[in-house]
Amino acid sequence: AQKVTQAQTEISVVEKEDVTLDCVYETRDTTYYLFWYKQPPSGELVFLIRRNSFDEQNEISGRYSWNFQKSTSSFNFTITASQVVDSAVYFCALYTSGTYKYIFGTGTRLKVLA
Amino acid sequence: GAGVSQSPSNKVTEKGKDVELRCDPISGHTALYWYRQSLGQGLEFLIYFQGNSAPDKSGLPSDRFSAERTGGSVSTLTIQRTQQEDSAVYLCASSRGAREGNRKSPLHFGNGTRLTVT
Repeated sequence: AQKVTQAQTEISVVEKEDVTLDCVYETRDTTYYLFWYKQPPSGELVFLIRRNSFDEQNEISGRYSWNFQKSTSSFNFTITASQVVDSAVYFCALYTSGTYKYIFGTGTRLKVLA
Repeated sequence: GAGVSQSPSNKVTEKGKDVELRCDPISGHTALYWYRQSLGQGLEFLIYFQGNSAPDKSGLPSDRFSAERTGGSVSTLTIQRTQQEDSAVYLCASSRGAREGNRKSPLHFGNGTRLTVT
């Protein structure tokens, strides 16, 4: 079965702190894809990044970085020097070719306090 | 249009009435998905279309829910005899439905329809 677990329901940090959002996934497929989405208070889900199972290279984009580790089935997301505008719900998602579904975690609500 | 368009943005209906929710995907996107998001919850998969066919309807909560897609474009999600537990935000998303090299196309979401059943 496919599953995505985001154990952190809500995280609060003070502006400029670094924060890591955890994502653990389960699948028996050898080919799969992982995604992170941001849902700000306005409600629209915004795509942030994708990774495929063959590409364990970590990625950095500005203040955002992602750490993909197949050995621990994790795809964690770090925001460096957080800002108030980072406040949102962040979702991790898994896609496997066998199901054609994008399976989403329950999300982590991040609150960045000024 | 440039993005996924959903209408109406808000719908208030009385228990027992039928509702239709519309989704206009990004032009050229062959795959279309419906999800439901209840207050403070994650995304619950409802149904997936590839072209006009729906290979996976497993997420539809009951036989009161149905969906169709015509012309490989617009999709309608219909809820018959609405119940209060149907209150949620219904999200539509589309994707190219094919791999882009070694990367699966991401989903592009609309703003959703907030359904309130009174």
